[in-house]
Amino acid sequence: GAGVSQSPRYKVAKRGQDVALRCDPISGHVSLFWYQQALGQGPEFLTYFQNEAQLDKSGLPSDRFFAERPEGSVSTLKIQRTQQEDSAVYLCASSLGGAGAGGYTFGSGTRLTVV
Amino acid sequence: QKEVEQDPGPLSVPEGAIVSLNCTYSNSAFQYFMWYRQYSRKGPELLMYTYSSGNKEDGRFTAQVDKSSKYISLFIRDSQPSDSATYLCAMSGGGETSGSRLTFGEGTQLTVNP
Repeated sequence: GAGVSQSPRYKVAKRGQDVALRCDPISGHVSLFWYQQALGQGPEFLTYFQNEAQLDKSGLPSDRFFAERPEGSVSTLKIQRTQQEDSAVYLCASSLGGAGAGGYTFGSGTRLTVV
Repeated sequence: QKEVEQDPGPLSVPEGAIVSLNCTYSNSAFQYFMWYRQYSRKGPELLMYTYSSGNKEDGRFTAQVDKSSKYISLFIRDSQPSDSATYLCAMSGGGETSGSRLTFGEGTQLTVNP
């Protein structure tokens, strides 16, 4: 596709439920990032992939958060045993190049609400 | 203290006004500076991208970076109602791993009134 596609757009989960969020980056893009954006805040870094390698996962808030990109294209962010504080928009971004490029293309995000 | 500080606004201006948006930062390793625009329920969209200090102009938009003061600005000339959005500054240090991550400001909510 022409842009970064994320699904679902909206997800309501009961506290304690597991969720999986999908990101389809722009075809051929090497770098893929996940960010978390709380209401009224700027996005905060979660994790970074270069192709299938997860080079940085230092932003993942707890071991309930897990991300993968097994074939270097589609990525999934999984949150286990969701908590209310996990409610946020989860943004995926990709770029053609590797480190330092900065000019990432973002998807529209998945809005997760934990009730 | 946050690495990147940005006044969240809200900022309301009349159509045609010059808008000035600013961010300060504390991490001297930042080398790449960006401004993103985010409409409601959309992802951030890259507006301006600057490496190191200096000015960059693109149409009605001008980005300035002053690394000595750790201060970046975005100017919007002849503002239009369609410019109404949240503006996010972002920066990174480059490098293969964590240097690629963007650190964002809180975002400034701008409304341009017709």
